[in-house]
Amino acid sequence: NAGVTQTPKFQVLKTGQSMTLQCAQDMNHNSMYWYRQDPGMGLRLIYYSASEGTTDKGEVPNGYNVSRLNKREFSLRLESAAPSQTSVYFCASSEGLGGQETQYFGPGTRLLVL
Amino acid sequence: GENVEQHPSTLSVQEGDSAVIKCTYSDSASNYFPWYKQELGKRPQLIIDIRSNVGEKKDQRIAVTLNKTAKHFSLHITETQPEDSAVYFCAANNQAGTALIFGKGTTLSVSS
Repeated sequence: NAGVTQTPKFQVLKTGQSMTLQCAQDMNHNSMYWYRQDPGMGLRLIYYSASEGTTDKGEVPNGYNVSRLNKREFSLRLESAAPSQTSVYFCASSEGLGGQETQYFGPGTRLLVL
Repeated sequence: GENVEQHPSTLSVQEGDSAVIKCTYSDSASNYFPWYKQELGKRPQLIIDIRSNVGEKKDQRIAVTLNKTAKHFSLHITETQPEDSAVYFCAANNQAGTALIFGKGTTLSVSS
């Protein structure tokens, strides 16, 4: 099992460009999450999907959109990138509700917006 | 809104010493409190968790204690080793139990 995978590993964007971060899990988990990690700020939840077909906002959703494509895949889209979105993005999944069970994280995507 | 405060932000200890990291949470409905460890350049990984019906939980050199009345919980690492050096995050679940709110992290450095 690969666990949680993310693509790309690293991306440089110019202000105003768009991109989609991809996340997939092969553990048959129901819930999936997108976080951003900035120095000194910990892990902040952007969006989550408690089950296939549902998505909800987290702490910092502005500037992002998500799609739960199927049970395995959960993508994060930046429509018009801004320098403030420079960060490391982690995807995570959990078998049941992520607020009750272990979350398994992907390796992260490092995004630089110039 | 829901909030988790974590202290200290940095902690330096000598190998063999104990380390303690403390967290407080704001939502009295929170009932699940995990701790994650993140080594440099790696992904966060769960090291221990505790639920509200338990006051303490141990796993070899690590232990977590929970005081629901005071709304705080702590991570204790005994006999620290250089490989314990990492960033540690505490978290508490939201009222709906659907997501976690993370603390800002503690950078632990263990010197030999």
